[in-house]
Order: sequence, then structure tokens, then C-alpha cells
Amino acid sequence: EDQVTQSPEALRLQEGESSSLNCSYTVSGLRGLFWYRQDPGKGPEFLFTLYSAGEEKEKERLKATLTKKESFLHITAPKPEDSATYLCAVINAGNMLTFGGGTRLMVKP
Amino acid sequence: NAGVTQTPKFQVLKTGQSMTLQCAQDMNHEYMSWYRQDPGMGLRLIHYSVGAGITDQGEVPNGYNVSRSTTEDFPLRLLSAAPSQTSVYFCASSYERGYGYTFGSGTRLTVV
Repeated sequence: EDQVTQSPEALRLQEGESSSLNCSYTVSGLRGLFWYRQDPGKGPEFLFTLYSAGEEKEKERLKATLTKKESFLHITAPKPEDSATYLCAVINAGNMLTFGGGTRLMVKP
Repeated sequence: NAGVTQTPKFQVLKTGQSMTLQCAQDMNHEYMSWYRQDPGMGLRLIHYSVGAGITDQGEVPNGYNVSRSTTEDFPLRLLSAAPSQTSVYFCASSYERGYGYTFGSGTRLTVV
């Protein structure tokens, strides 16, 4: 059974304080790893897809990286508007998608 | 605006009542799915469809029915609501199963 574990569950940062969120996974035949952002009361919003170890993707203050066992979402100099829950998901060889429980990020001004 | 539209946004049901959660997308996506989101459980797949007339069960299908008569619509039916079905329900669509989902804004359901 595929598993996705995200840590920490919650993270409080000061504005400008860079940090990383972790997504560890076990999956049968990884075809891709996804990062989503979810604001309170809204549906998840797609951020990135990573397909193979060593791949990196960037968007504004966010950079996602992938290894054979985990992915990191690096947040550089975060702003309060980056506060959200960040979800990680993996897709296996059978096109089954498994989501992690998310990391709730709070950025204080 | 292109996207996934879910209705209603909030609903309270009594145990045993039935209802239908609506989901419509205007992106001509073949793949549509329903998830429920519970604290500490992540998003769990209820049912999905790879095209009009084709549906299949996900991880937690019991107590729910779906049908897909058109590409645009994918309603979720609760047959006899139970308190365990209290959750936030999301509909998602994409061009291909698993990739680049567009989610609706969710329906918060409470069963009392």
C-alpha cells in the first residue's frame, strides 16, 4: 500500500524566515509527485509535478525538489500570503493517487 | 470562469436522509473524481470516472453512488446519510487520471 507522510504537521514562521516542508513516500512504481496548496475553505490548488529524482521546480518563493524517497518544498523569505496548508501526493504505476495529510504553514508578519 | 463548480457549499442532513452533491466542470476534462477530506486523514477517493458512462469505486465508496451521463457533470449521491459521512467533499477533474487536478471549492456536510 502506498503511503505519504508529511512533516511537520504545522509550521510557524516569521516573515522572511526560510524553511522546508518534507514529504516522505513509499510507492509501487512512482510515476509522479505533486504539490498542492490549500487555503481555508477552498479546494487544493495545483502547484508542481515532479517526475524523477533530482528534478526541481520553482514558482515565486517556492521550490520543490525530489529524491527517491522524499520531496521537499523549500520556502524562501516567506510572506504572510504564503500561509496555507500544503499537500503532497504521489501517483503509482496503476495511476492511483495517494495524498499526504498536509503541512499547515503560518507566516507571521 | 473555467473551473469546477460544486453545490451546495454547506449542508446539514438528518441521519437517514438522502441528498445529491453536484459537480460540474467546463474544461472538457474526461477524468472526474470525488474526495472526502477529514482531519488527520488526508484526501480519500470515493468514486471516479474516466469518461461519460464510466465510473468506478475508490478507497471509501460505501454509502455513496455516482453516475456520469455527460462529460461536464458528475453528481455524488448519499443514499442514507450517517454521522460518519460528516466531512468536506471535493470534486476534482483533470485531462488524465492523477495529473494536474482542478478542485472545486468543496461542500461541507454535517449529518446529525
